[in-house]
Amino acid sequence: TQLLEQSPQFLSIQEGENLTVYCNSSSVFSSLQWYRQEPGEGPVLLVTVVTGGEVKKLKRLTFQFGDARKDSSLHITAAQPGDTGLYLCAGAANAGGTSYGKLTFGQGTILTVHP
Amino acid sequence: DSGVTQTPKHLITATGQRVTLRCSPRSGDLSVYWYQQSLDQGLQFLIQYYNGEERAKGNILERFSAQQFPDLHSELNLSSLELGDSALYFCASSVGPQSSYNSPLHFGNGTRLTVT
Repeated sequence: TQLLEQSPQFLSIQEGENLTVYCNSSSVFSSLQWYRQEPGEGPVLLVTVVTGGEVKKLKRLTFQFGDARKDSSLHITAAQPGDTGLYLCAGAANAGGTSYGKLTFGQGTILTVHP
Repeated sequence: DSGVTQTPKHLITATGQRVTLRCSPRSGDLSVYWYQQSLDQGLQFLIQYYNGEERAKGNILERFSAQQFPDLHSELNLSSLELGDSALYFCASSVGPQSSYNSPLHFGNGTRLTVT
């Protein structure tokens, strides 16, 4: 069973601060996705990373996939109250197995940005 | 708006009862996935259908079953409900037979099930 551990579980910061959320596993993933979920809504895909060492930027958000494709991080610069939400990482199993393409989700990081 | 529609939005029922959750996938998507989200377990994959056929199975209890109809909508049936089944149930859809870079998941807004 592939597991993804996210840290921290909770993050409460002031507007303007920077933060990093981590997603770690002992398993190799073919790709890793980050989702953001707001109360009363389903998760919304932010980004997919597929290559070891890949870095993707989405405005103030920077996503990195580890060289060994076992871990990922999400860095937010100058956080804003609108960034508040639950951030989830999800890994797709490596090709070749019966679980290829099935997503395993981390437990999530609840981010609160205070004005 | 993801284009995935789930009904009902809320459901309150008693232990031992049976309920049906419904999902209409995004137009053009052939795969439907069901997930359960609870505070202690996080988002857990239950089952996936692709073009009417069961494609993958996760941690789905025997009391739960699902199907995908010819018009591609899906239903998740939960029976002999227990207090611990209270959770958010999400449906997601994708174009292809497996979630991937080219076939990302689009989630609905979920059904909140409360078993009393």
